[in-house]
Amino acid sequence: AQSVTQLDSHVSVSEGTPVLLRCNYSSSYSPSLFWYVQHPNKGLQLLLKYTSAATLVKGINGFEAEFKKSETSFHLTKPSAHMSDAAEYFCVVSRSGGSYIPTFGRGTSLIVHP
Amino acid sequence: DVKVTQSSRYLVKRTGEKVFLECVQDMDHENMFWYRQDPGLGLRLIYFSYDVKMKEKGDIPEGYSVSREKKERFSLILESASTNQTSMYLCASTFGQGYGYTFGSGTRLTVV
Repeated sequence: AQSVTQLDSHVSVSEGTPVLLRCNYSSSYSPSLFWYVQHPNKGLQLLLKYTSAATLVKGINGFEAEFKKSETSFHLTKPSAHMSDAAEYFCVVSRSGGSYIPTFGRGTSLIVHP
Repeated sequence: DVKVTQSSRYLVKRTGEKVFLECVQDMDHENMFWYRQDPGLGLRLIYFSYDVKMKEKGDIPEGYSVSREKKERFSLILESASTNQTSMYLCASTFGQGYGYTFGSGTRLTVV
């Protein structure tokens, strides 16, 4: 069995300050982990992915995440928030096996204040 | 640019109607998924398919069925729409583990 817990339902930051969105996972197998972003009334867009290569993963729009096996965490960070980063963010773990079913966290809403 | 296309962006249907939501991908992906997204509940898996004519129930299949007659197309069917099926429906596809998932833009369905 596998699961994902996003530790904050909402995160509020000021423009230009760092962003930290927290994600913990559990998985019986070596997982693949992803972060997706969803802007209002849009589909989900892949930000970055971890697939057992480098533990520090760089994604689009200046985001990065670090896989920490000992802490079962995959937190998403960005050094400086931009107004356009305001969106819903989802942490996802992929099951192993033939169908590669993703399990989603419940999402974190990032609010960016001017 | 590769994509997953959902046929309708917004849809309004009446209670009891049979509703078809279409999803087409142009990436030759084997695996396709249907999710519904509701505030506070995140994304919940309805059905998925790992090959043509193959389908598996997800976490909330009740009231839904699916069809995959061709590799590129995965249809979600609401046999008799009910108001509690008002939701955003998202389709996704992937080659497999580690490749990431490509999502459609979603269909916002309202059942009145």
